[in-house]
Amino acid sequence: DSGVTQTPKHLITATGQRVTLRCSPRSGDLSVYWYQQSLDQGLQFLIQYYNGEERAKGNILERFSAQQFPDLHSELNLSSLELGDSALYFCASSPWGLAGVPAYQETQYFGPGTRLLVL
Amino acid sequence: AQTVTQSQPEMSVQEAETVTLSCTYDTSESDYYLFWYKQPPSRQMILVIRQEAYKQQNATENRFSVNFQKAAKSFSLKISDSQLGDAAMYFCAYRSVGSGGGADGLTFGKGTHLIIQP
Repeated sequence: DSGVTQTPKHLITATGQRVTLRCSPRSGDLSVYWYQQSLDQGLQFLIQYYNGEERAKGNILERFSAQQFPDLHSELNLSSLELGDSALYFCASSPWGLAGVPAYQETQYFGPGTRLLVL
Repeated sequence: AQTVTQSQPEMSVQEAETVTLSCTYDTSESDYYLFWYKQPPSRQMILVIRQEAYKQQNATENRFSVNFQKAAKSFSLKISDSQLGDAAMYFCAYRSVGSGGGADGLTFGKGTHLIIQP
């Protein structure tokens, strides 16, 4: 158990709908990362938040957005869902998430993932 | 942009034997971090080992060790005394030290499916 929690575990929805995925980081971790794992694209980094602020952006679609709240939990919002959005969505957390911090302080610990199926 | 290549989609090894998984990467940066993650059938991503590019010494964690060749941009994972519980997808990942103040996300390879034969 990494200490990162994600809800829900599974989500089934229809095209065009909007869903929210939730992540609680490990105790004390300030940074949260979102990743998408699909058969087509593999594992892709979407976005990073540090202490409530967006810090790095990856291949995140404009239909997707995220935020990190004062209690450090994060939500990933996916809207106007398409069949191709079906994937496993991971949240990861790390202690700082800042440039130049040694790897042993910056290892990303992954949650169990949310499996999204768009029908 | 950085890329990570795992050229072996699948590897098979006998229990108790040693296996090496390959990973190469492409980057113009001089400082970065490399990781190996394991994803068993449960789909949980589990850190196996990490390496900082400025450290010449290869990282070791129990039965897991790496061969880091910075000039060749190669980062292979050696698993000694393979166990049934080692069966999983193994992903090589790269992380830059960060450019916009953030730590940046991980860039993953496509993974190697490791099969352990009893």
